[in-house]
Amino acid sequence: GEDVEQSLFLSVREGDSSVINCTYTDSSSTYLYWYKQEPGAGLQLLTYIFSNMDMKQDQRLTVLLNKKDKHLSLRIADTQTGDSAIYFCAESASYISSGSARQLTFGSGTQLTVLP
Amino acid sequence: DGGITQSPKYLFRKEGQNVTLSCEQNLNHDAMYWYRQDPGQGLRLIYYSQIVNDFQKGDIAEGYSVSREKKESFPLTVTSAQKNPTAFYLCASSMRGTGELFFGEGSRLTVL
Repeated sequence: GEDVEQSLFLSVREGDSSVINCTYTDSSSTYLYWYKQEPGAGLQLLTYIFSNMDMKQDQRLTVLLNKKDKHLSLRIADTQTGDSAIYFCAESASYISSGSARQLTFGSGTQLTVLP
Repeated sequence: DGGITQSPKYLFRKEGQNVTLSCEQNLNHDAMYWYRQDPGQGLRLIYYSQIVNDFQKGDIAEGYSVSREKKESFPLTVTSAQKNPTAFYLCASSMRGTGELFFGEGSRLTVL
């Protein structure tokens, strides 16, 4: 089945850039997502990229997609202590049975720690 | 404000008891989902529903049950048949198009 892999931990200094990497196996992925989870809370969508795009930028966030290598990355510029959280990569290929639901496959999450 | 509300946030259960987790959304989304999250793991899909009165098993449905009598509501029952129910449970909904999932704040279930 589909698989999404991420490294488990990343530490950066406040003010530096963070780069969180993700690899996926499903070549038919149409949307790729980055979610953020703060302790004890649900997941919040940060951004997503459609598979025909190479890059998407949204304020401090830059998403890069290498479809050939099935590699997705999230760069956070000027990382702040408030960015400390778990970041999940997820991919979705299609709707389930042509219905309204999408089957997303999530990675295990990367715990980002921002050091002062 | 539009969103997804899960309750209770924390729940303790004795072994052998069934418990029901509530999930309500006012986003007018057709699709709703239940995920389970364990430490150091990604989210695993328990059940999903694409429309009222219809729901399908996800990857780890054994020991769980759901209902979808109203568009806004998708409660999850953790039955005594679930071997390892202690976990963080997340409800989500989505609209057509990008498939973006909107999540509730989660319910943490602990079996004593």
